[in-house]
Amino acid sequence: DAGITQSPRHKVTETGTPVTLRCHQTENHRYMYWYRQDPGHGLRLIHYSYGVKDTDKGEVSDGYSVSRSKTEDFLLTLESATSSQTSVYFCATRGGETQYFGPGTRLLVL
Amino acid sequence: GQNIDQPTEMTATEGAIVQINCTYQTSGFNGLFWYQQHAGEAPTFLSYNVLDGLEEKGRFSSFLSRSKGYSYLLLKELQMKDSASYLCAVRVPMDSNYQLIWGAGTKLIIKP
Repeated sequence: DAGITQSPRHKVTETGTPVTLRCHQTENHRYMYWYRQDPGHGLRLIHYSYGVKDTDKGEVSDGYSVSRSKTEDFLLTLESATSSQTSVYFCATRGGETQYFGPGTRLLVL
Repeated sequence: GQNIDQPTEMTATEGAIVQINCTYQTSGFNGLFWYQQHAGEAPTFLSYNVLDGLEEKGRFSSFLSRSKGYSYLLLKELQMKDSASYLCAVRVPMDSNYQLIWGAGTKLIIKP
């Protein structure tokens, strides 16, 4: 699998605070993705990037922003966390046709 | 709209065979993926079908019928470590790129 790390792996925060999740890859893949995974739902795309400084919205982008200043790093920011953003967040990169996933970040918003 | 359906949960016996179905209705089609996800872990790639037919990879096989909007994942000689969720995803064109649309996953429970 692609070398993908996510930090932090677990986070508890309070409603209204900003939160930034980091994804780091060592495979030099051009495409990177942020998903959230909730019970009863498939993985849902939040934002994706197709190159440095090139990003676009996914299906559930409201309340989230992203930045990609280097090929290897893709940051996801929750501008003002809400309880509905409690979820598991996965970063993925694309190599060829296949997406490879990082280990995930469990976020709890109280 | 985009819709992918798969059973929520299935149970099978160690050493047996199980078939996990996936049906899809999507705006466009550019391939179907199966991923395995153990509890608390990341999804890992199992198979990719873009043409009709059966792709075999060891104990796992994946079948696709584009005309029927249907795929299945076949697992043979089940082992306890196969207890996991199996995710079906369809690659669809979106703007000038492609996106994956995901099913909710099928939780497979293997009993001794």
